[in-house]
Amino acid sequence: DSGVTQTPKHLITATGQRVTLRCSPRSGDLSVYWYQQSLDQGLQFLIQYYNGEERAKGNILERFSAQQFPDLHSELNLSSLELGDSALYFCASSVENFGTEAFFGQGTRLTVV
Amino acid sequence: AQSVTQLDSQVPVFEEAPVELRCNYSSSVSVYLFWYVQYPNQGLQLLLKYLSGSTLVKGINGFEAEFNKSQTSFHLRKPSVHISDTAEYFCAVSETGGFKTIFGAGTRLFVKA
Repeated sequence: DSGVTQTPKHLITATGQRVTLRCSPRSGDLSVYWYQQSLDQGLQFLIQYYNGEERAKGNILERFSAQQFPDLHSELNLSSLELGDSALYFCASSVENFGTEAFFGQGTRLTVV
Repeated sequence: AQSVTQLDSQVPVFEEAPVELRCNYSSSVSVYLFWYVQYPNQGLQLLLKYLSGSTLVKGINGFEAEFNKSQTSFHLRKPSVHISDTAEYFCAVSETGGFKTIFGAGTRLFVKA
């Protein structure tokens, strides 16, 4: 158990819908990262938050947004969903950055039908 | 911007044989380097990391990696693999500071009896 909790574990939804994925970081970790893992794109960095502030942005679509709340949990919002958004979404957390070791959650498997 | 190339998508090997998983990176600045392992239906787990200092890094489960700055490589090695090492292995790089960590496409290690 990495200490990073992601909910839900599985999500099935229809095209055009909006979903929210939730991540609770390990106790004491201030940084949260979101990654998308799909068969054709591999593991893609989406976005990083540190203590509530956006710190780095990767290949995150405009239809996607994220935030980190004062209690340090994070949510990834995916809207106007397309079939191609079906993927495994991982959250990771670390004390500050990847150099201080990032721990990954088990992921949320999103299926868009 | 940094990038990572894992040169082999799949590596089949017999149990107790040595293995090397290759990783090359590119970056215009100093980097941190990581190897993560992903077992089926699980999140990623850190095997080892290079931040600075000795170029030979030892990790968990008997793995080690060598940072070669001139070759911009960070190959992962194990002298004798077990069936339980069957998993997907990801090389990752982040610019010093540890933000925006980018992962390679992964190498699937398959250990045969």
